[in-house]
Amino acid sequence: GAVVSQHPSRVICKSGTSVKIECRSLDFQATTMFWYRQFPKQSLMLMATSNEGSKATYEQGVEKDKFLINHASLTLSTLTVTSAHPEDSSFYICSAYRDREYEQYFGPGTRLTVT
Amino acid sequence: TQLLEQSPQFLSIQEGENLTVYCNSSSVFSSLQWYRQEPGEGPVLLVTVVTGGEVKKLKRLTFQFGDARKDSSLHITAAQPGDTGLYLCAGGYKLSFGAGTTVTVRA
Repeated sequence: GAVVSQHPSRVICKSGTSVKIECRSLDFQATTMFWYRQFPKQSLMLMATSNEGSKATYEQGVEKDKFLINHASLTLSTLTVTSAHPEDSSFYICSAYRDREYEQYFGPGTRLTVT
Repeated sequence: TQLLEQSPQFLSIQEGENLTVYCNSSSVFSSLQWYRQEPGEGPVLLVTVVTGGEVKKLKRLTFQFGDARKDSSLHITAAQPGDTGLYLCAGGYKLSFGAGTTVTVRA
């Protein structure tokens, strides 16, 4: 199989604090991972592409200093929401390409609530 | 950016009825994926279509890729309440997602 995990599944934090979300490919290596954001009853919006060993590339309108991405190994990418505000509350989902394939596998998502 | 348009946005049908969801683009895609997502969970890959004109079947679900590789459809036969969910089409290396179709199957 191709399993992607995310941790935590839910997190509540206070405004102004930072939150780190982990995305792991459990049974395959992923040179490239993606981070998406999803608002209620809407589709997924790509935030950034995470590349192992290099800087992430961000989609237009996504603040790279606010959403820090680190892809330190072939199985782990992290998204840190810095100085979180209530408007950052959302469902964050990561995905990973299994190398040599053209299918992305998604994590179960992380529900972030900023109070 | 390659845009995908899905229709309809919402679909509510009775158990046993058939339904079709459409995914259209002005761009050519090397492949298109269909996902199903339930509330509070990540999307689950249903199928990938690669060849123009390709038809793939997954039990009661039939997926078709247009000859020109610009459009795709998902047809569900004899829908069941378990088919309820958000259906998403996506394509491209950096997946572009359609807006999604929320399917509700009433028992």
